[in-house]
Amino acid sequence: GDSVTQMEGPVTLSEEAFLTINCTYTATGYPSLFWYVQYPGEGLQLLLKATKADDKGSNKGFEATYRKETTSFHLEKGSVQVSDSAVYFCALGIGTSYGKLTFGQGTILTVHP
Amino acid sequence: DVKVTQSSRYLVKRTGEKVFLECVQDMDHENMFWYRQDPGLGLRLIYFSYDVKMKEKGDIPEGYSVSREKKERFSLILESASTNQTSMYLCASSFFRGGKTQYFGPGTRLLVL
Repeated sequence: GDSVTQMEGPVTLSEEAFLTINCTYTATGYPSLFWYVQYPGEGLQLLLKATKADDKGSNKGFEATYRKETTSFHLEKGSVQVSDSAVYFCALGIGTSYGKLTFGQGTILTVHP
Repeated sequence: DVKVTQSSRYLVKRTGEKVFLECVQDMDHENMFWYRQDPGLGLRLIYFSYDVKMKEKGDIPEGYSVSREKKERFSLILESASTNQTSMYLCASSFFRGGKTQYFGPGTRLLVL
């Protein structure tokens, strides 16, 4: 079945450090890929998405490129801020699945001043 | 602006009580979803619905039921609450076709004593 694997957390960084959170997937068909972010005490918000191979999603300084050859969608940011501290979820959705998404287990990011 | 609301942010119930969690979306989405979120387990799908009065089991439906009488409203019911149902419950909605972005509510943190 479809699955998403995220790098183990938690991840702790200093402000202005470079961030990478790895995400790989297994899917039948051609999925759309998503990164969601959950700030403390809140629901999930869409951070960025990509719908086909080689697409790059970007938002708020975060980027991720849909790599079909490596079945990956790694999240990157060049310079993190304290306000980026949150839980990050990678997810995939298949066109025939009634809109269901398959989520990774989430990665906790803490950024220190 | 996209809006998914949940009836309560925090709820405390006793073992054996019947519990209703309600979710309302204002985006005319066909699909609605209920997840529970537990530390280390990520998001797990309980039930989803792709149309009024239609429902499908997710990955962990045991102990839960759902109701969708109107397009904008999706209710999660715990018929007889148990302590192992203490969790964060998240509602989401999306357009019908698969691979579409899901929009989440703020979550309900349920404590069963």
